[in-house]
Amino acid sequence: EPEVTQTPSHQVTQMGQEVILRCVPISNHLYFYWYRQILGQKVEFLVSFYNNEISEKSEIFDDQFSVERPDGSNFTLKIRSTKLEDSAMYFCASSGRDTFTDTQYFGPGTRLTVL
Amino acid sequence: DQQVKQNSPSLSVQEGRISILNCDYTNSMFDYFLWYKKYPAEGPTFLISISSIKDKNEDGRFTVFLNKSAKHLSLHIVPSQPGDSAVYFCAASLTGNQFYFGTGTSLTVIP
Repeated sequence: EPEVTQTPSHQVTQMGQEVILRCVPISNHLYFYWYRQILGQKVEFLVSFYNNEISEKSEIFDDQFSVERPDGSNFTLKIRSTKLEDSAMYFCASSGRDTFTDTQYFGPGTRLTVL
Repeated sequence: DQQVKQNSPSLSVQEGRISILNCDYTNSMFDYFLWYKKYPAEGPTFLISISSIKDKNEDGRFTVFLNKSAKHLSLHIVPSQPGDSAVYFCAASLTGNQFYFGTGTSLTVIP
């Protein structure tokens, strides 16, 4: 059965540096999502992506964040200038249909640590 | 391969009755299991968890059961309320560094 993969599993970076978190969604899925979970807090929605554009984003997803599907298989989240408070687990998900209530396949997460 | 599976994509239950959501996993090394509840356009909200050293954990109307020999996890909600209608995800963790989510079960509680 297909699965969503994420790389790296753990990323450590210095404050102010750019990071790119990578996700490979399930190959025939069309809708892609990023979530994050700061340690001890709830999982927060960041952004959804369809047809090469953002379909919905939360307040957290400000100008320092961007998403891209550069090659038809990868789905990336870029944080331009990382801050300490960006330290969190970042989860990617994909689904075949556009509904937040429908089946979403989650990746295992990337733990980002900003020093 | 999906390491955590929720084989029922949807479930409908009458208000006041018990809702039972099931989850199966393949990796016997998982040491922590969680259930999340998710509303549209929001991230999953943590509901209840259980360590692999236990077989039951209860929190109000929510009880999670773990059967390690069967690699099976279940969430019981009793009594079910209309506000419980949401998508429920189970997740399993290896030492808290990697999380493996199921694909979710959409619960509808009928008034």
